[in-house]
Amino acid sequence: AQSVTQLDSQVPVFEEAPVELRCNYSSSVSVYLFWYVQYPNQGLQLLLKYLSGSTLVKGINGFEAEFNKSQTSFHLRKPSVHISDTAEYFCAVSSGYSSASKIIFGSGTRLSIRP
Amino acid sequence: DGGITQSPKYLFRKEGQNVTLSCEQNLNHDAMYWYRQDPGQGLRLIYYSQIVNDFQKGDIAEGYSVSREKKESFPLTVTSAQKNPTAFYLCASSKGLAALETQYFGPGTRLLVL
Repeated sequence: AQSVTQLDSQVPVFEEAPVELRCNYSSSVSVYLFWYVQYPNQGLQLLLKYLSGSTLVKGINGFEAEFNKSQTSFHLRKPSVHISDTAEYFCAVSSGYSSASKIIFGSGTRLSIRP
Repeated sequence: DGGITQSPKYLFRKEGQNVTLSCEQNLNHDAMYWYRQDPGQGLRLIYYSQIVNDFQKGDIAEGYSVSREKKESFPLTVTSAQKNPTAFYLCASSKGLAALETQYFGPGTRLLVL
């Protein structure tokens, strides 16, 4: 069975500082990995996804994530955050052998940016 | 602009009442989904539909019902059997059901119980 763990429920950082949001998954088969962002009272928006190929994935708004198969991780990073990055971030995993209806979402990490 | 719309933004339910949440997409996507979001939790799948006139239960379907009479529309009814309906409800769609598909989300409906 698949699962995904976001290790930090909240991450406070100062503006212009770097940030890393951690995500670990478990799956016995090949996986697809996603990061979504949710701004207050809105739906989710895709930041980036890993399907295959290069393990470093670049997304929108300057975010990137690295797929590490040996550590079963897919951490999200940004070198310098802005106030507008304040949001909740969700990591998600789906199995290459199942359907999109079986995607598993993590419990989310709330990123708060301090001026 | 293509996208997903959900209405209403806020919905109040009285005890014993059924309420219906609307979801419409103009992305020409075949698959549609309903999720429930509670504070501090990830999204949980209620129902999904791969094509018109077909839908399947997700992980927490009890107390909910759906229909898919048109490709663009996938309304969710929260019935009186759902004893704890207060949550944020998100509708999503994707081109198909393949595991690599990106899901596109609507802005959500917040359901509150009076």
